[in-house]
Amino acid sequence: DGGITQSPKYLFRKEGQNVTLSCEQNLNHDAMYWYRQDPGQGLRLIYYSQIVNDFQKGDIAEGYSVSREKKESFPLTVTSAQKNPTAFYLCASSQPGEYQPQHFGDGTRLSIL
Amino acid sequence: GDSVTQMEGPVTLSEEAFLTINCTYTATGYPSLFWYVQYPGEGLQLLLKATKADDKGSNKGFEATYRKETTSFHLEKGSVQVSDSAVYFCALSEGETSGSRLTFGEGTQLTVNP
Repeated sequence: DGGITQSPKYLFRKEGQNVTLSCEQNLNHDAMYWYRQDPGQGLRLIYYSQIVNDFQKGDIAEGYSVSREKKESFPLTVTSAQKNPTAFYLCASSQPGEYQPQHFGDGTRLSIL
Repeated sequence: GDSVTQMEGPVTLSEEAFLTINCTYTATGYPSLFWYVQYPGEGLQLLLKATKADDKGSNKGFEATYRKETTSFHLEKGSVQVSDSAVYFCALSEGETSGSRLTFGEGTQLTVNP
């Protein structure tokens, strides 16, 4: 079945460490997105990519980095510069076109040890 | 900029009660509107959508009508079930080529008791 796979489901990080969250899709979607979700809040856009080798900052990009070397993959690195990284991270993708909905993975929960 | 405002939660209902979750939006153009649902520990799933004024989106007994005059997209269901307990997000997309940014509301937690 086609879908979006995020791994790992749970991730723990020590202070000062960088950590990379994986996102893979086999839906042949051009666009991919990373969101952060905090308890009781909506989703906030971190980065998005509309095509391979190109990406744009979202609303809260500071302390994060991404790459888009392949169409199916959009990994997110949470750097040590991100002061409050504990959150639920969601990856999404969408087909080309103005009215296409986004499809989401099951998320990665990141916690600081 | 674009924004979405949802009714504050949490909402608690008894099984078979009528559900309304209010959603209003602010946008510069003519956005597409979406409702997503999130079950505990999972990602979001598309529930329904509407792409132009007066469109009605529907799925699994849920409905929402795109009201341009009141800039609203309220979610309704005539008879809720325990399995409908989840967080519901209203979202809009202004539309860009090759994928669209979504602006989300804060989400409304729904709990349905037997």
